[in-house]
Amino acid sequence: AQKITQTQPGMFVQEKEAVTLDCTYDTSDPSYGLFWYKQPSSGEMIFLIYQGSYDQQNATEGRYSLNFQKARKSANLVISASQLGDSAMYFCAMREDTGGFKTIFGAGTRLFVKA
Amino acid sequence: DTGVSQNPRHKITKRGQNVTFRCDPISEHNRLYWYRQTLGQGPEFLTYFQNEAQLEKSRLLSDRFSAERPKGSFSTLEIQRTEQGDSAMYLCASNRQGNHGYTFGSGTRLTVV
Repeated sequence: AQKITQTQPGMFVQEKEAVTLDCTYDTSDPSYGLFWYKQPSSGEMIFLIYQGSYDQQNATEGRYSLNFQKARKSANLVISASQLGDSAMYFCAMREDTGGFKTIFGAGTRLFVKA
Repeated sequence: DTGVSQNPRHKITKRGQNVTFRCDPISEHNRLYWYRQTLGQGPEFLTYFQNEAQLEKSRLLSDRFSAERPKGSFSTLEIQRTEQGDSAMYLCASNRQGNHGYTFGSGTRLTVV
């Protein structure tokens, strides 16, 4: 069964430093997609980055990069040069290509950026 | 592109009452999703529409829940005979074929008292 695990309930990072948010997943489907979303205190989920299971290179979007280690079933999010506005909940998510249209989400990690 | 709009933003209802939420997706998005999020958890999938067809429903969606997307544009989610356990944030999201991520609305927060 598909599952997403985020083991860090909360993380602190100093402004301008990099931070890694952990995510592991479980699936028996060879074809799947991995996602990260940001949810600020306003509540609206914001799509950040996507990695396909067959993509050879790690995905990057601006200051966000996804460290995809397929054999370890991990999909960690790296945020470089943290900003105060990065303080939010971050959710890792997965969709199996043969699992219908649903995306499953982890429980999230709350990131606090300190000035 | 005005984003995904959800109404109302907040709803307080008494147990046993029916409630209906509305979602207006981005106009060119043919795919629409409903999720439910409780405090401290990630969103849980409820149902999916492609155009007007409801193609997938979660087992979480009991027979008290019904969703429609009659003309393939806006969607409604109705909960009948609400229970306290229905208290949650109800999120709507949309995208189109070829998009990987969703665009989410701001959600409707339901409180059942």
